[in-house]
Amino acid sequence: GEDVEQSLFLSVREGDSSVINCTYTDSSSTYLYWYKQEPGAGLQLLTYIFSNMDMKQDQRLTVLLNKKDKHLSLRIADTQTGDSAIYFCAESMRNTDKLIFGTGTRLQVFP
Amino acid sequence: DGGITQSPKYLFRKEGQNVTLSCEQNLNHDAMYWYRQDPGQGLRLIYYSQIVNDFQKGDIAEGYSVSREKKESFPLTVTSAQKNPTAFYLCASSLNAGVGTGELFFGEGSRLTVL
Repeated sequence: GEDVEQSLFLSVREGDSSVINCTYTDSSSTYLYWYKQEPGAGLQLLTYIFSNMDMKQDQRLTVLLNKKDKHLSLRIADTQTGDSAIYFCAESMRNTDKLIFGTGTRLQVFP
Repeated sequence: DGGITQSPKYLFRKEGQNVTLSCEQNLNHDAMYWYRQDPGQGLRLIYYSQIVNDFQKGDIAEGYSVSREKKESFPLTVTSAQKNPTAFYLCASSLNAGVGTGELFFGEGSRLTVL
């Protein structure tokens, strides 16, 4: 079945790197995404990776994709207090228009 | 500016009442979606619509209804049949199914509390 899993919480010190992990089940997913949700707000797309790539870097963000293990990760370098939020990974289902979201990881950054 | 507008942001309802949440987009997107968010459960798809006058059930459609009479609008009605309606509801849209990266654009959400 369709299932995307993430750990619920991550706490890091300001200036350190954060790594948020995600496992997914559909090996035919076309794209995989990372969304960020600020408190009481909607989700915003942070970055995405096409399924034939294994890495994508965008400023402080690095996405790693291991298709064999169906594992996706998001690394945030030099984490700031403004990065505190909930981070969702999501996969697109091939030949459908649905995204399947993970449970979300709440990142807390402390000084 | 283009975007998705949800209203109201906060809503209180008595048990047994129906309530309708509004979602409007001016992005000229074909597809629209309703998600429900509960703590620790992520986002669950309620209904989605690819084109006007057509919509499909998501994973948790029971107790909800939608309509898509206009491209810009996709209202969600939470009926009295929904057993646990207190949640944060998110509306989203995308350009079209199977086109581009499939990115979803989200509204700011509506928080429904049943008293």
